[in-house]
Amino acid sequence: SQTIHQWPATLVQPVGSPLSLECTVEGTSNPNLYWYRQAAGRGLQLLFYSVGIGQISSEVPQNLSASRPQDRQFILSSKKLLLSDSGFYLCAWSRGLNQPQHFGDGTRLSIL
Amino acid sequence: KNEVEQSPQNLTAQEGEFITINCSYSVGISALHWLQQHPGGGIVSLFMLSSGKKKHGRLIATINIQEKHSSLHITASHPRDSAVYICAVDNNNDMRFGAGTRLTVKP
Repeated sequence: SQTIHQWPATLVQPVGSPLSLECTVEGTSNPNLYWYRQAAGRGLQLLFYSVGIGQISSEVPQNLSASRPQDRQFILSSKKLLLSDSGFYLCAWSRGLNQPQHFGDGTRLSIL
Repeated sequence: KNEVEQSPQNLTAQEGEFITINCSYSVGISALHWLQQHPGGGIVSLFMLSSGKKKHGRLIATINIQEKHSSLHITASHPRDSAVYICAVDNNNDMRFGAGTRLTVKP
């Protein structure tokens, strides 16, 4: 069976510090991978998706970047965090286009 | 106007009641997803549909492509159904989300 791991579960970082959130998927190959953010009191927003190694599509211009160094690994990064980067970050995978998505447990990021 | 509109925003029901949550969208889609978000933040995908109707246990989802409208129904609601339900439209990985419907089912 397939599983998705996302860590850390919670993170408190100072403004200006770097960020690295990691997501890995097990039990499937060549998944589509997604990063979402849910800011406090707001809905979900797609940040990045990837259909293959090294292929990243960005939905929203921002302070964040994503990378997919391996088939089942998706990393969300920032060189310098802003206060507005606070939120709940979710990783998800699917078998392909227009397929059900399966979500990780999320990372709650607080910027001080 | 938001591309994905959900109603109601909040819904309180008594255990056993039939629940309907509505989603209307204004963009072209290849599929529509219904998601359930629990108080801790975790999200579970309930349905993905592109036409007609799907049923899983007490949950039913319908979509009318011509009217750009989908509904999520819960029969015989239970307190454990309390969560935020989110409608998301998918246009080949271009995902847009509704603001969510917060459902509280009281015993």
